[in-house]
Amino acid sequence: QKEVEQNSGPLSVPEGAIASLNCTYSDRVSQSFFWYRQYSGKSPELIMSIYSNGDKEDGRFTAQLNKASQYVSLLIRDSQPSDSATYLCAVGMGYGGATNKLIFGTGTLLAVQP
Amino acid sequence: DADVTQTPRNRITKTGKRIMLECSQTKGHDRMYWYRQDPGLGLRLIYYSFDVKDINKGEISDGYSVSRQAQAKFSLSLESAIPNQTALYFCATSDLGENTDTQYFGPGTRLTVL
Repeated sequence: QKEVEQNSGPLSVPEGAIASLNCTYSDRVSQSFFWYRQYSGKSPELIMSIYSNGDKEDGRFTAQLNKASQYVSLLIRDSQPSDSATYLCAVGMGYGGATNKLIFGTGTLLAVQP
Repeated sequence: DADVTQTPRNRITKTGKRIMLECSQTKGHDRMYWYRQDPGLGLRLIYYSFDVKDINKGEISDGYSVSRQAQAKFSLSLESAIPNQTALYFCATSDLGENTDTQYFGPGTRLTVL
């Protein structure tokens, strides 16, 4: 079982719709979770970080975390063609409550259709 | 100026050649990382360093070595390049502080080994 799993997609949504991206992870002691956006050929850029169960909103983006189910998601409201990119889920791994490194999923390709 | 820079941005080399990829940062972060990215495999950690005297292997360190010359500089070497090391390489940094897990990426180096 991979440590961080994402559906590779592509996930296709019409402009203005809600895009829902999902991620599951295997390490129950993980404490930190991140969503990065990566345009083709470019470097990953941080969109959201979340550390506690529940929802965290930032503009059109909402991250949702459920540690009991080992599940983290990203919702993008009012999707725009400029949101078309690969979205990487990353989970912090470490020892004694400290995070030493991030483990990345393989990413979900999102395509927003005009 | 960019906070995390990588040189070169593109490199084509031949099998058996020694290659060095360099990373510099002006963010003042203690932690630095090297990743490679391959289609369908996501970002995989090669090496990471928490300070000048600390070097740690990641999940795919075979065939690579690193040097942390200063807090701001972290170099990745391929002693004898082989074609399956053709990939996109990213350097990243993170802070030893409140948000220790958030990683910031350089623009990447596209390496082709013929």
